[in-house]
Amino acid sequence: AQSVTQLDSQVPVFEEAPVELRCNYSSSVSVYLFWYVQYPNQGLQLLLKYLSGSTLVESINGFEAEFNKSQTSFHLRKPSVHISDTAEYFCAVTPISGGYNKLIFGAGTRLAVHP
Amino acid sequence: DAGVTQSPTHLIKTRGQHVTLRCSPISGHKSVSWYQQVLGQGPQFIFQYYEKEERGRGNFPDRFSARQFPNYSSELNVNALLLGDSALYLCASSFGILNTGELFFGEGSRLTVL
Repeated sequence: AQSVTQLDSQVPVFEEAPVELRCNYSSSVSVYLFWYVQYPNQGLQLLLKYLSGSTLVESINGFEAEFNKSQTSFHLRKPSVHISDTAEYFCAVTPISGGYNKLIFGAGTRLAVHP
Repeated sequence: DAGVTQSPTHLIKTRGQHVTLRCSPISGHKSVSWYQQVLGQGPQFIFQYYEKEERGRGNFPDRFSARQFPNYSSELNVNALLLGDSALYLCASSFGILNTGELFFGEGSRLTVL
């Protein structure tokens, strides 16, 4: 079985400050890793994913995440946040050999960017 | 292009009643998945359907059922509603069944059970 722990339920930060949203996972098998974002009153959207290769993955809007296999972590970072980044962020994993598209989500981290 | 559409957006039911939620996937997507998101928690996997067949099921009781139609739209049915079924029900579509691709989520159907 797999589980995902997002260590912070809420992260307040000022505009243009750096931010890190922490994610740890537990799994007895190899997994793919994802970060999804949910803006207010919208559905979840894929932010970035790690399937293989370079352990550092980037999104088009400046977020990056690094897969650390030894620490079973996939923390999300952004060097300078904007007001528009205010949203709920979900870390998720899925077994590589699962055979179907089942995502196991963490409880989410609410990022609040203040002016 | 239309994204994943879900209906109804909000509904209120009483304990013991039955509910049907509907989902239309993105055009060309053949897989539909259903998730339950209880307030303050992350989404939990309920079902995945691909080519009208159930391909995966989460840890939910038999009161939960679903089906997929020839046009790839889907329905989620919940019988004998309990207070604990109150949640946002999310539908997600993808082109294929495998887990390397991106899931596209709808905005959800918010169910309140009184």
